[in-house]
Amino acid sequence: DAGVTQSPTHLIKTRGQQVTLRCSPISGHKSVSWYQQVLGQGPQFIFQYYEKEERGRGNFPDRFSARQFPNYSSELNVNALLLGDSALYLCASRSGTRDSPLHFGNGTRLTVT
Amino acid sequence: QKEVEQNSGPLSVPEGAIASLNCTYSDRGSQSFFWYRQYSGKSPELIMSIYSNGDKEDGRFTAQLNKASQYVSLLIRDSQPSDSATYLCAVSEGFSGNTGKLIFGQGTTLQVKP
Repeated sequence: DAGVTQSPTHLIKTRGQQVTLRCSPISGHKSVSWYQQVLGQGPQFIFQYYEKEERGRGNFPDRFSARQFPNYSSELNVNALLLGDSALYLCASRSGTRDSPLHFGNGTRLTVT
Repeated sequence: QKEVEQNSGPLSVPEGAIASLNCTYSDRGSQSFFWYRQYSGKSPELIMSIYSNGDKEDGRFTAQLNKASQYVSLLIRDSQPSDSATYLCAVSEGFSGNTGKLIFGQGTTLQVKP
């Protein structure tokens, strides 16, 4: 079975640019969450979507937005990139039943120069 | 501010020894608790989940949960060099059982020396 897939794997952008990251969940999983992981820290929650609706948002500025499509795939958009946005962006999916664990994709490594 | 605290380490153990990793959390409403392993440059991989007080064993791994003390631990028996990684403790927020929003600790780096 395919796991969570993310694209692209690596990305280099310039300050002020915009970026779109993509995620396909495990087949049958309806819930997708996005996390940002800065080097040396644990992942920080950005967004959760379930059945195409936003179910939670972390403490990130409005430059960060996301959406979920009818096939449960998801996109994370970041506008007006800052150097501090350089991080590993992780997408994770879960089945949506209570207590079901998160399974992470391989991540997108974003470097802002 | 809900927090999960872990000792960043590194925790160094000899091959074959028991590695003990600890985690405390601040949200008394948390219902679900997870341990993820993360190799350098890779994404987190789920190794254990625990929801009730007590011990849960899976192969060489044992997770322990004490909700009264707000404490979670992971024991790795017969540690192998391949266990060398960062171990992330993650806790669900609140009473909802919604594990889509997890609060992570900063991780403990484990080094297993041959």
